[in-house]
Amino acid sequence: GQNIDQPTEMTATEGAIVQINCTYQTSGFNGLFWYQQHAGEAPTFLSYNVLDGLEEKGRFSSFLSRSKGYSYLLLKELQMKDSASYLCAVRDSDYKLSFGAGTTVTVRA
Amino acid sequence: IAGITQAPTSQILAAGRRMTLRCTQDMRHNAMYWYRQDLGLGLRLIHYSNTAGTTGKGEVPDGYSVSRANTDDFPLTLASAVPSQTSVYFCASSEGSGGGDEQFFGPGTRLTVL
Repeated sequence: GQNIDQPTEMTATEGAIVQINCTYQTSGFNGLFWYQQHAGEAPTFLSYNVLDGLEEKGRFSSFLSRSKGYSYLLLKELQMKDSASYLCAVRDSDYKLSFGAGTTVTVRA
Repeated sequence: IAGITQAPTSQILAAGRRMTLRCTQDMRHNAMYWYRQDLGLGLRLIHYSNTAGTTGKGEVPDGYSVSRANTDDFPLTLASAVPSQTSVYFCASSEGSGGGDEQFFGPGTRLTVL
């Protein structure tokens, strides 16, 4: 099984940078995903890492260290619309996802 | 518009009743999934199907059943609902090809069991 930990809440100011950490313990690792979920809506895909290093996608970047069981999602130039929950998910060797409880990010003006 | 749909949007159900949540995708994805989402617990996998005709159990399968008669549809049935099954249910699908194979989620069904 998977054990995935991420902070419950984070608050940041518009225009700032926020880093959401995710640690995991896994019985079989086959990739790490980040999803964004606005209140009352479905999760939507943000990023995927399977090799160590940084993946950059516009204002969002995701980092993975497999040896440390660690990932982070970096949100730059924060906008009000970035207020949402961010879900870290680990895929196992059977291609099933296990999700963390999510980090609620609040962006303040 | 291509995507994944769920019905109903919300439902209030008496305990002991049978209920089927519907999920349909038109992306010709091989794999489909059912999750429940509860406050503080995140998304938990109930059942999944890697391809039409096959299903598997996830993390929390008890009290739920699924079928996958064709590629597009993946209904979830609660045979005899209990209050602990009050939750938001999300259906998802993916190509099932591995790699950066993201899951696409439906809009969810909010179920309340009284």
